[in-house]
Amino acid sequence: DAKTTQPPSMDCAEGRAANLPCNHSTISGNEYVYWYRQIHSQGPQYIIHGLKNNETNEMASLIITEDRKSSTLILPHATLRDTAVYYCIVRVTFGNEKLTFGTGTRLTIIP
Amino acid sequence: NAGVTQTPKFRILKIGQSMTLQCTQDMNHNYMYWYRQDPGMGLKLIYYSVGAGITDKGEVPNGYNVSRSTTEDFPLRLELAAPSQTSVYFCASSLTSPYEQYFGPGTRLTVT
Repeated sequence: DAKTTQPPSMDCAEGRAANLPCNHSTISGNEYVYWYRQIHSQGPQYIIHGLKNNETNEMASLIITEDRKSSTLILPHATLRDTAVYYCIVRVTFGNEKLTFGTGTRLTIIP
Repeated sequence: NAGVTQTPKFRILKIGQSMTLQCTQDMNHNYMYWYRQDPGMGLKLIYYSVGAGITDKGEVPNGYNVSRSTTEDFPLRLELAAPSQTSVYFCASSLTSPYEQYFGPGTRLTVT
């Protein structure tokens, strides 16, 4: 799986959009980008994933650059409950069962 | 649906003791996983299973054993507990790899 790089921490004002970057410059053509988050002491929670097109669901949007070397997770209207560690993970679709969690980005939503 | 449930929530073991961490899912998922998370670190995969009767090692399997006799249950066995096994253990499941994994609430284990 390709290695990912994320900033260790970020702050965002409540109600504003939180934009979390992830660099994955060695990504292969068959590798997807996944985002999970972990709210303090809880199990990780799946947020969204994508291959090359931008994706949106009820939680967030995922923007992947055209060269696929980086992506941004967008939480459109951050709330205090979005304070968590966010993990960007890159992996192939099949034949690889594990998710490799790095240390992620600690996002703090400021009231 | 209860999702993924884990018991116990907390446990303190003495060095050399053994215990089983229980994990059950009611979503009829084929894939199940065990991870450990040390303080301030990401999760590391211990074992996983792609279906009943099939298990395989992850990144850090030493000191652990698993079994998968049913689709719903995936217990993790610690034999001869050591202080290095002090961690938070998460069980997860997914319908088919690699789609989203659903995690349980975790078991916080301390070995002293």
